[in-house]
Amino acid sequence: DAGVTQSPTHLIKTRGQHVTLRCSPISGHKSVSWYQQVLGQGPQFIFQYYEKEERGRGNFPDRFSARQFPNYSSELNVNALLLGDSALYLCASGSYQETQYFGPGTRLLVL
Amino acid sequence: AQTVTQSQPEMSVQEAETVTLSCTYDTSESDYYLFWYKQPPSRQMILVIRQEAYKQQNATENRFSVNFQKAAKSFSLKISDSQLGDAAMYFCASFSGTYKYIFGTGTRLKVLA
Repeated sequence: DAGVTQSPTHLIKTRGQHVTLRCSPISGHKSVSWYQQVLGQGPQFIFQYYEKEERGRGNFPDRFSARQFPNYSSELNVNALLLGDSALYLCASGSYQETQYFGPGTRLLVL
Repeated sequence: AQTVTQSQPEMSVQEAETVTLSCTYDTSESDYYLFWYKQPPSRQMILVIRQEAYKQQNATENRFSVNFQKAAKSFSLKISDSQLGDAAMYFCASFSGTYKYIFGTGTRLKVLA
């Protein structure tokens, strides 16, 4: 079975721009979570979506938004990019007892 | 508020030896899960072991086991017979009914040949 996939793998943007990151969960998984991982730190929880509804939200500004589609894939959108948004963005799909299965991540660099 | 604390930024272990990584957590929830994840350099995060808070028995997965002390809010990971492939960042994480995942800052494990 295919694992969690994310696109693109790398992205370079400039301050003030908007970015959309995409994630496809493992087949059969209905929840998708998004994390931001700054270099040298642990992942910070941004959102969890389950059955197309937001189920959990971390402490991130409203510039961050997400949605989940009928096929359970998901998009993370970030508006008005700041230099501090440079990070590895991880997507994870959820299964038994909330175990997270992570994708390879999208590395975003904001210049 | 939920918190997860890993007080060891880096640990080293000789190949074939045993090492224990520490983690403490805090939550007001009665029902929660605890996890250890492994992130090898430039590779995907993978689950090492999972513990349900309502279970008294410590979880075990092959060479990996936990020491779950609920009253002390401690959740340490023991790696037995360490192998070179165990070298990675290890993250302790919690999940509770507020649907938030909290990760610690990680412990970098070095395995010496």
